[in-house]
Amino acid sequence: AQSVSQHNHHVILSEAASLELGCNYSYGGTVNLFWYVQYPGQHLQLLLKYFSGDPLVKGIKGFEAEFIKSKFSFNLRKPSVQWSDTAEYFCAVTLKAAGNKLTFGGGTRVLVKP
Amino acid sequence: SQTIHQWPATLVQPVGSPLSLECTVEGTSNPNLYWYRQAAGRGLQLLFYSVGIGQISSEVPQNLSASRPQDRQFILSSKKLLLSDSGFYLCAWSGQASYEQYFGPGTRLTVT
Repeated sequence: AQSVSQHNHHVILSEAASLELGCNYSYGGTVNLFWYVQYPGQHLQLLLKYFSGDPLVKGIKGFEAEFIKSKFSFNLRKPSVQWSDTAEYFCAVTLKAAGNKLTFGGGTRVLVKP
Repeated sequence: SQTIHQWPATLVQPVGSPLSLECTVEGTSNPNLYWYRQAAGRGLQLLFYSVGIGQISSEVPQNLSASRPQDRQFILSSKKLLLSDSGFYLCAWSGQASYEQYFGPGTRLTVT
């Protein structure tokens, strides 16, 4: 069965530190990849997406992610975090052959200390 | 612009009672609609999706059902709630030809 794994469940770091969240998926076909973010008390919102083309994609708020097909990975990065980046981050995948049903990873809670 | 609404925002129900959660979308037509459940520490699990009125696909066997009586209305129901139905329920929509999904504010359900 298809699955999405986020290996870090909780991350605590200080402001200005760099952030990298891992995401691996187990699909064999062509995929669309997403990172969603849920700030405290807010809706789940799209941070960035990859459909095709340049495997390094840039999203909102200084985030970027790199699709490495050979590693089945789509890791999220930010060079310098802010306190406002405290949130829960979800990686999600759709298999193009299966329409647009999202499969989510378990999420990573990120706490940025001021 | 498109908006998505869910109500109620929070709900506390006893075991064995019925459930009805509503989701409506504004500003678009013929959307795909989705119900997810978010359990603590377990990410989001797709429960149901719908590509049109009356068309419901269930992703996991469970105590819940879904209906789509109107184009932009999606309802999640149960005849008798179980303790295990507690969780955070999210509705989402996408365009028919789009892979991006947009989420509502969610309903926190506590079954006591």
